[in-house]
Amino acid sequence: SYELTQPPSVSVSPGQTASITCFGDKLGDKYACWYQQKPGQSPVLVIYEDTKRPSRIPERFSGSNSGNTATLTISGTQAMDEADYYCQAWDSSTSHVVFGGGTKLTVL
Amino acid sequence: EVQLVESGGGLVQPGGSLRLSCAASGFTFSSYEMGWVRQAPGKGLEWVSYITSSGDNKYYGDSVKGRFTISRDNAKNSLHLQMNSLRAEDTAVYYCAKDHGVGAWDFDDWGQGTLVTVSS
Repeated sequence: SYELTQPPSVSVSPGQTASITCFGDKLGDKYACWYQQKPGQSPVLVIYEDTKRPSRIPERFSGSNSGNTATLTISGTQAMDEADYYCQAWDSSTSHVVFGGGTKLTVL
Repeated sequence: EVQLVESGGGLVQPGGSLRLSCAASGFTFSSYEMGWVRQAPGKGLEWVSYITSSGDNKYYGDSVKGRFTISRDNAKNSLHLQMNSLRAEDTAVYYCAKDHGVGAWDFDDWGQGTLVTVSS
């Protein structure tokens, strides 16, 4: 079955750029999306179709996807961005939705 | 404003059954694919099931296939998940989620979740 791999944790200083990676075999051939989840809350879609941002999401969130790796980038990271982030893709060969294991972003 | 409100969670014994429901409002329910995603305590997100807008096509994660059944009632703007032969490892918060676009297979709106606990 298709798998997506994320680093368990990433740390960033306020105002700096955070990058969270998601690895999957030929992931660049699929669409990747990203969710933010804060403690006790439901997930929020922050990036879809590799690079697109829902209107309610701040411009500091951006995405890319090429080769085997999708990346979520948060520019000028703020304390409010501290959360768990999950990548997700659709495996067309099985019609399965696949989530990465999640990355805890710490802003310190 | 899109609203998704889950109900039906609770405590059930191993081997038992439970039916979750999701009441949808604020969008044309019959035009969107829908899904269920779960999250075990302290763990990550796990996809459970997905249903096309018409209800004609249904898809399941490997861990629930053959035990869970997804359905929808477009006349009542509701989504359901029938869960049978429940196991301890099915314990999780279950989220109802709306597909972002026509067959986009990602989710732009989520409910608040309903907790299912499988324990004797």
